[in-house]
Amino acid sequence: NAGVTQTPKFQVLKTGQSMTLQCAQDMNHEYMSWYRQDPGMGLRLIHYSVGAGITDQGEVPNGYNVSRSTTEDFPLRLLSAAPSQTSVYFCASSRTPGLAGPYIRTDTQYFGPGTRLTVL
Amino acid sequence: ILNVEQSPQSLHVQEGDSTNFTCSFPSSNFYALHWYRWETAKSPEALFVMTLNGDEKKKGRISATLNTKEGYSYLYIKGSQPEDSATYLCASNTGKLIFGQGTTLQVKP
Repeated sequence: NAGVTQTPKFQVLKTGQSMTLQCAQDMNHEYMSWYRQDPGMGLRLIHYSVGAGITDQGEVPNGYNVSRSTTEDFPLRLLSAAPSQTSVYFCASSRTPGLAGPYIRTDTQYFGPGTRLTVL
Repeated sequence: ILNVEQSPQSLHVQEGDSTNFTCSFPSSNFYALHWYRWETAKSPEALFVMTLNGDEKKKGRISATLNTKEGYSYLYIKGSQPEDSATYLCASNTGKLIFGQGTTLQVKP
């Protein structure tokens, strides 16, 4: 298994440009999520998905769109990049979101290697 | 408590010292508390997941406890080593995983 993969690893954008960060997992995980990591702020949840066709907002969703057409893929779209979106982005997945019963609430999230994005 | 909060933000200790960090989280709608270890330039890796009040988990020199009634968890490292240097993240699972800002540990040889 490749686990959770993210592309690209690095990206530089100009303000106003759009792009899509790719995330894929081959573990048949239901739950996928996107985080951004900024100095002194840990990981902040952008969007998450509990299964194909279902997405929801996290803590900091503004400026980002997601879709989940397949179990494997969960792309993150920046519609009009801003310097405030300069960050490291992590995608993560786990078997379940923790809602379907106590015996699966302990599922660990597996993280991708991250995408370092700079918006000039 | 509305958010997941960790303290201290950073910690510098000498090799051999024992240390501990705190994670505070909302006690309502609680499913599980996760601890992750995050080394620079790598992805976070899971340490522990705890669900029940009074849970204690141990992995080598690292252990964790959980108090769901008051909404806190402690992570302990006994006899810190330089390779323990990392950021330690906790996250509360309420159906989605919300992380604290992390505690960055630096162990000096």
